[in-house]
Amino acid sequence: GQNIDQPTEMTATEGAIVQINCTYQTSGFNGLFWYQQHAGEAPTFLSYNVLDGLEEKGRFSSFLSRSKGYSYLLLKELQMKDSASYLCAVMDSNYQLIWGAGTKLIIKP
Amino acid sequence: ETGVTQTPRHLVMGMTNKKSLKCEQHLGHNAMYWYKQSAKKPLELMFVYNFKEQTENNSVPSRFSPECPNSSHLFLHLHTLQPEDSALYLCASSQEGESGAYNEQFFGPGTRLTVL
Repeated sequence: GQNIDQPTEMTATEGAIVQINCTYQTSGFNGLFWYQQHAGEAPTFLSYNVLDGLEEKGRFSSFLSRSKGYSYLLLKELQMKDSASYLCAVMDSNYQLIWGAGTKLIIKP
Repeated sequence: ETGVTQTPRHLVMGMTNKKSLKCEQHLGHNAMYWYKQSAKKPLELMFVYNFKEQTENNSVPSRFSPECPNSSHLFLHLHTLQPEDSALYLCASSQEGESGAYNEQFFGPGTRLTVL
C-alpha cells in the first residue's frame, strides 16, 4: 500500500529553526509537495521537489532524497504566524496526490 | 472573486436532508477535485474532474454525488448522509497537462459539514 508518514505534532520557539520530516512509500514518484494549512483555512502551496537536493524559498527550505523516500521542510527564524499544520504529499505514478496526515506545528514565544 | 471559492462555509444537516456544496474556480484551470478532511487523518481524494469528465471516483459511497457542469464549477450533492460523514470538504483546482505532469493544486476554504 501507499503510505506517507510525518510527526503528528511539533513544538518550537519563536526565532528558532524547526525541521519537519516526511517519509513515503508510494507506487512511483512524480514529485513531493509541502502545503501549509492554518486552522480553519485552505491548504496553501509551499514547495515542490522532484529532484534530489535542497530547494530554498526565503525562510522555508525543502529537501528531497528519492533513494531514501525522505523529505523535510525546514523553517528558519520562526514567527508566531508559522503556527499551522504542514502537509506532505507525494504524486504517484498515476499522477495522484497521496497525502500525509499533517504535522501540527506549535510556536511558543 | 479570486482563486477558489466554496459555499456554504458551514452546513448542519440531518440524515434525511438533501443539500449541495458548491465550488467555483476563477483560475482558468481544467481540473477540479473534491477532498474530505477529517481530524488527524490524511486528505481523502473523493472525485476528480479533468476537462469536465470524471476521471476518478475513489470508492466513494453513492450518497455523495458530484456534478461538474463546466470547467469552472463543481458541485457535491449530499443525500442521506451519516454522522461519520461530518468533516471538512475541500475543493481544489489545478492545470493538468496532457501527461498529467506537475499539478500544484489550489484549494478553497472548505465547507465544514456536520451531520446530526
